[in-house]
Amino acid sequence: DADVTQTPRNRITKTGKRIMLECSQTKGHDRMYWYRQDPGLGLRLIYYSFDVKDINKGEISDGYSVSRQAQAKFSLSLESAIPNQTALYFCATSDTRAGLGSSYNEQFFGPGTRLTVL
Amino acid sequence: QKEVEQNSGPLSVPEGAIASLNCTYSDRVSQSFFWYRQYSGKSPELIMSIYSNGDKEDGRFTAQLNKASQYVSLLIRDSQPSDSATYLCAVNGFNKFYFGSGTKLNVKP
Repeated sequence: DADVTQTPRNRITKTGKRIMLECSQTKGHDRMYWYRQDPGLGLRLIYYSFDVKDINKGEISDGYSVSRQAQAKFSLSLESAIPNQTALYFCATSDTRAGLGSSYNEQFFGPGTRLTVL
Repeated sequence: QKEVEQNSGPLSVPEGAIASLNCTYSDRVSQSFFWYRQYSGKSPELIMSIYSNGDKEDGRFTAQLNKASQYVSLLIRDSQPSDSATYLCAVNGFNKFYFGSGTKLNVKP
């Protein structure tokens, strides 16, 4: 079974609709992230969470909200979808491990959700 | 200025050759460095992590880090057509990840 899962995998919606993308992980990681990827623009961070009570905005949080329901679950909502939110959305997790004075962070991605807003 | 810079490519190499991918970063306090492989329409897959100056080898992959020059590279030996993908460089500093836009690699049979 995949360590990081995302639902749905594909979604087509209309302008103005509210939608939720969900992410679950079985890796036991404390940190979770939402990114979007557009052709030529790379990965851009929307929101991130270091634990259930810690939610932080990324570089492009406008028009999005998140909820960290449990350590293993992190959902992304588009309150009123617009066409320029059409993109590939990825959830990711990481786990900070301290060693020799440095922090080690390996980030693992879910399979992605392809969202189309008409 | 972008935190992580990569040449977008495409970089074309013949099968069996060495592919060299490069990345520069601007944050001098970056601590962890990563290379991801991403096939079209798929999610990024972590292939290498490097934390200290020098080389790190894993199979056909070698990551090289030079913190003084703020430079990290990935060498792929004996390149195969299945290595054709976009390679993303990522840097972690102050608990944030910064990604380059990726270099597209084409390995020609």
